[in-house]
Formats: sequence, structure tokens, C-alpha cells
Amino acid sequence: DVKVTQSSRYLVKRTGEKVFLECVQDMDHENMFWYRQDPGLGLRLIYFSYDVKMKEKGDIPEGYSVSREKKERFSLILESASTNQTSMYLCASSSFGRGMNTEAFFGQGTRLTVV
Amino acid sequence: GQSLEQPSEVTAVEGAIVQINCTYQTSGFYGLSWYQQHDGGAPTFLSYNGLDGLEETGRFSSFLSRSDSYGYLLLQELQMKDSASYFCAVTSKSGGYQKVTFGTGTKLQVIP
Repeated sequence: DVKVTQSSRYLVKRTGEKVFLECVQDMDHENMFWYRQDPGLGLRLIYFSYDVKMKEKGDIPEGYSVSREKKERFSLILESASTNQTSMYLCASSSFGRGMNTEAFFGQGTRLTVV
Repeated sequence: GQSLEQPSEVTAVEGAIVQINCTYQTSGFYGLSWYQQHDGGAPTFLSYNGLDGLEETGRFSSFLSRSDSYGYLLLQELQMKDSASYFCAVTSKSGGYQKVTFGTGTKLQVIP
């Protein structure tokens, strides 16, 4: 059974704190993604990675950074958390399908509240 | 840039058929996917269309027209458990790699 695991289901942090959200997949997938989900806005892509140590900005990268030191692990970093980063964060992974079916598998999400 | 449009809400009766449309604008298009998300749950994959036409998987079908930048998800014999949000997603080429961009989602309510 394929699995994408996010380290925390709920997280409360203070404004200005550095926050790490961890994601691990066990499917040997090349691609990994971080999205945030807000009501009415759907899933918005923050960053994605297609290989170890490689990363690409998504649609809303401001205020975030990422790290991929190992193929199975993709971390999202909030350098200085702000209240407008309160959201549900979803990690996903997929194989590089070269235009074929590229099903993405999602973790259960981390609901982050910044106070 | 990229954009996807889908209706925000749809209500349908149990046992009926419902169609959720999705239009998109993107460069480097590979294909269109559909995901289901129940409240409090993670999105789960339903279908993928890389070529024009209809793909059928049980009660669910998905259609793509690349020339019209349009697709839809068709749900037949609706059941109460189909009440969920449905997202279309575009897989596109980004710097030689793949990027998956989601729409804002359609909340489907199935009523008795």
C-alpha cells in the first residue's frame, strides 16, 4: 500500500517562528509537491521537486523554502511564520510519467495555525 | 500562466447523473486529472486523460477535448457517499519536468 506521510496532523506556532513541515514517501517517486489548501482557493502549488537537491517554485513560493536531501523526503520551511500562512498544507508525490498517467498520492495534510 | 475554472458548487439527487466541467489555460499541456476529496480527508486520484475522448471507470467517466481546453467528470448513479469536493488538475511541462496544478474545486452535494 503506497504511502505519503506528513509528520504532524496539527501544528500551532507563533508568529516569527521557523517552521518545518516534513513529508516522506515510500514509493520511490521522483516528483514531490507541497500545496496549501484554503477555502475557495483550491490547492495552490508552493514548491515542487523532481529530483534530490532539485526544486522549482510553484505559484505561491513567497515566504517558503524547501529542502530535498533524500529522494523520499521533502521538507517545507516557513522561515518566519506569519498569520497569513495559517492553512492546510498537503504534500504529494508522483512518478515521472513522461506524459502518461501521473497520479499524485497525497499525505493526510498538516493543519498549521500561526498565532 | 496557468488557470483552471470549474463550478464552485453542484447539487444533485441520489441516483441521478451529474457532470462537472473544467476549462483550462496552460502551456506544455500533458493531461487532465480528477481528484476527489471528502471533508477532512486527502485528495484521492479518480482518473487521467492524456488523449481526447472518454475514459470510463465504473460509475465515473472523464472526458477531454484538447482542442477546446475542456474536460468534464461524469458521475452516474449518484450515491450519498459521492458528496465531496472534486478537483480537476492539469499536468504540464515545466522546465523539462512535470508540474501538477489544481483547480479551485467543485463541492458536490448529493441529496436524497
